[in-house]
Amino acid sequence: GNSVTQMEGPVTLSEEAFLTINCTYTATGYPSLFWYVQYPGEGLQLLLKATKADDKGSNKGFEATYRKETTSFHLEKGSVQVSDSAVYFCALTGAGKSTFGDGTTLTVKP
Amino acid sequence: DAGITQSPRHKVTETGTPVTLRCHQTENHRYMYWYRQDPGHGLRLIHYSYGVKDTDKGEVSDGYSVSRSKTEDFLLTLESATSSQTSVYFCAIGGTGGAESNQPQHFGDGTRLSIL
Repeated sequence: GNSVTQMEGPVTLSEEAFLTINCTYTATGYPSLFWYVQYPGEGLQLLLKATKADDKGSNKGFEATYRKETTSFHLEKGSVQVSDSAVYFCALTGAGKSTFGDGTTLTVKP
Repeated sequence: DAGITQSPRHKVTETGTPVTLRCHQTENHRYMYWYRQDPGHGLRLIHYSYGVKDTDKGEVSDGYSVSRSKTEDFLLTLESATSSQTSVYFCAIGGTGGAESNQPQHFGDGTRLSIL
C-alpha cells in the first residue's frame, strides 16, 4: 500500500534560518503530493501541492518539488519566521485514498 | 475557508457510554472522512463516505460506526467508548477518487474527546 515517511521532529530553528523537512513516499501509479500545516487547536490546512513529476508547489515562501526518481517531496523555506511555528504534514493521494505522514513539529525562536 | 463544522468541539465522557460526533459541510461535497490524530501516529482514517448512505472502512475502524443520511452531515459513533479512543477527531471533505485525486482535503477544526 501507499506510505509516507517524513523527517522526525521536533525541529527548532532561529528566525531567518533555512528550513528543510524531508518527505519520501511509496506509492503505485502517479500520486498527487501535498504539504499541510496545522496550527494549535486547528485542523490541517493545505500549504502547497504538486500533481505530477517535476512540478514545484509554492506558497507563503515555502516550496517543494515532486521528485519521482527519488520518490521525495521535501519542504523548504529560505527564511523562517516565528509565525511559521506549527506542525507540518506530508501527504499523498493515490488509488482513491489519502495517506499522511506522522507530522513534523517546527518551533521558530526569535 | 471550506464550510466544515464539527460538534462538539470538546467532550469528556466515561468508558462504556455511547458518543456521537457530528460533521456538517456546506460545500455539497461528495466525499467526507473521519480521522483520528494521536501523538506518534499522525492522521489515521477511521471511515469515509462517497455519497449518501455510501460508506466504507478505513485503517482503524474497529469500535466506530458512521452514518450519512444527507450530503451535508456525516456522523461518527462510538457505540461503547473505551479509553483507547481518547483522541482528537477530524472531519474532512475532498476528493480522492478519479478526477478529484489531485484536489486537497479540507479539514474541520477537530473534536477533542476524552474518555475516562
